Amino acid sequence: QEQLVESGGGVVQPGQSLRLSCVASGFRFSDHNMHWVRQAPGQGPQWLTFTWSDGSRTYYADYVTARFTVVRDNSKNTISLQMDSLRVEDTAVYYCVRDGQQLMPFSLDVWGHGTMVTVSS
Amino acid sequence: QSALTQPPSASGSAGQSVTISCTGTSSDVGGYDLVSWYQQHPGKAPKLIIYEVTKRPSGVPDRFSGSKSGNTASLTVSGLQAEDEADYYCSSFVGRNNWVFGTGTRVTVL
Repeated sequence: QEQLVESGGGVVQPGQSLRLSCVASGFRFSDHNMHWVRQAPGQGPQWLTFTWSDGSRTYYADYVTARFTVVRDNSKNTISLQMDSLRVEDTAVYYCVRDGQQLMPFSLDVWGHGTMVTVSS
Repeated sequence: QSALTQPPSASGSAGQSVTISCTGTSSDVGGYDLVSWYQQHPGKAPKLIIYEVTKRPSGVPDRFSGSKSGNTASLTVSGLQAEDEADYYCSSFVGRNNWVFGTGTRVTVL
């Protein structure tokens, strides 16, 4: 069963940092490009990042570039999201998502259950 | 990149059809045949139900169908069932390896 499991969420103060992790199982992780997507309470999903399967390149949404950094480790089937200088508006559920690639191009086909990040003073 | 525009709500009786619109611009929806749709039940992660405007992943009922005209994409749910009551989000590739999601539509089965 293809599965993504996120961890690392929690409550932090504005300006602090947090690192989220996602572990993949049930499929060949190194073959797949990956995304991070977040969803603020009561809002729609918001795309954040797209990382190539080999981890060599990551694309960031304008609203998180320079604050968020993705690290991918194919030897451990993991992808991480380092979030610095967190703001109240970063409060959301953060999802790790697999890219559909050749089978379902430009779609996000396998989603983790998400991990909640709350930024509050 | 602004979120794609969807109506906040839509409804239909069981067995009827409902159509949800997703309006963007020529830089996103209109520029690529790469619109996807996601279904989200409360407390759950989104689930892919349509990709490349009209295609359904394996296991998604053919009651779900997608289309596009110009800068507006649409999702139709035919033969509404109770389990179709959920939030629906569109998404489009926007170039430069970026994506954008829609504002979401809550579908109610009357």
